[in-house]
Amino acid sequence: AQSVTQPDIHITVSEGASLELRCNYSYGATPYLFWYVQSPGQGLQLLLKYFSGDTLVQGIKGFEAEFKRSQSSFNLRKPSVHWSDAAEYFCAVGASYNTDKLIFGTGTRLQVFP
Amino acid sequence: KAGVTQTPRYLIKTRGQQVTLSCSPISGHRSVSWYQQTPGQGLQFLFEYFSETQRNKGNFPGRFSGRQFSNSRSEMNVSTLELGDSALYLCASSFSSFSGDTDTQYFGPGTRLTVL
Repeated sequence: AQSVTQPDIHITVSEGASLELRCNYSYGATPYLFWYVQSPGQGLQLLLKYFSGDTLVQGIKGFEAEFKRSQSSFNLRKPSVHWSDAAEYFCAVGASYNTDKLIFGTGTRLQVFP
Repeated sequence: KAGVTQTPRYLIKTRGQQVTLSCSPISGHRSVSWYQQTPGQGLQFLFEYFSETQRNKGNFPGRFSGRQFSNSRSEMNVSTLELGDSALYLCASSFSSFSGDTDTQYFGPGTRLTVL
């Protein structure tokens, strides 16, 4: 069965520092992978997605993610974090064919210190 | 283009009551999915509707039900509310091509349900 693991529950970084959030997936075929961000009391906003092609994907707000099939990973990165990036980040995989259902990881809460 | 809208945004109910939540998808989107988000269980898939038909269903009891109308708007209903149903209920819509490949879901702001 498909699954997503986000090993880091909580990450704290200083403003201006680089960021990497980890995501590992379990999926038999070529996965459809997503990163979403959620601010407190809000819905989920799509940051970026990977369907096929170039394994380095650019998203909004300066985020990027790299798909590594050999490691079953889809880590999210940002070279310089801003205080407004503090939020919860969710990695997700498309469940299977003929459905848009997503399977989510447990999320990583990012805290940014000035 | 307007995003996914959900009404109401906040709801307080008591145990045993029933509740109906509404979701209006992005114009042109044909698929609507519902998710429950709780601190303990995270984001869990409830069900997905496509062209007024339930296309996929998660592992929730029969108290949770939904439907989709011809204009793609969707409602979900929870009957006989329990304390554990307190959660943020998120609706997501996608265009959903006929190829069957996974399409991108766009989420609404959610409905916060509190059961007392």
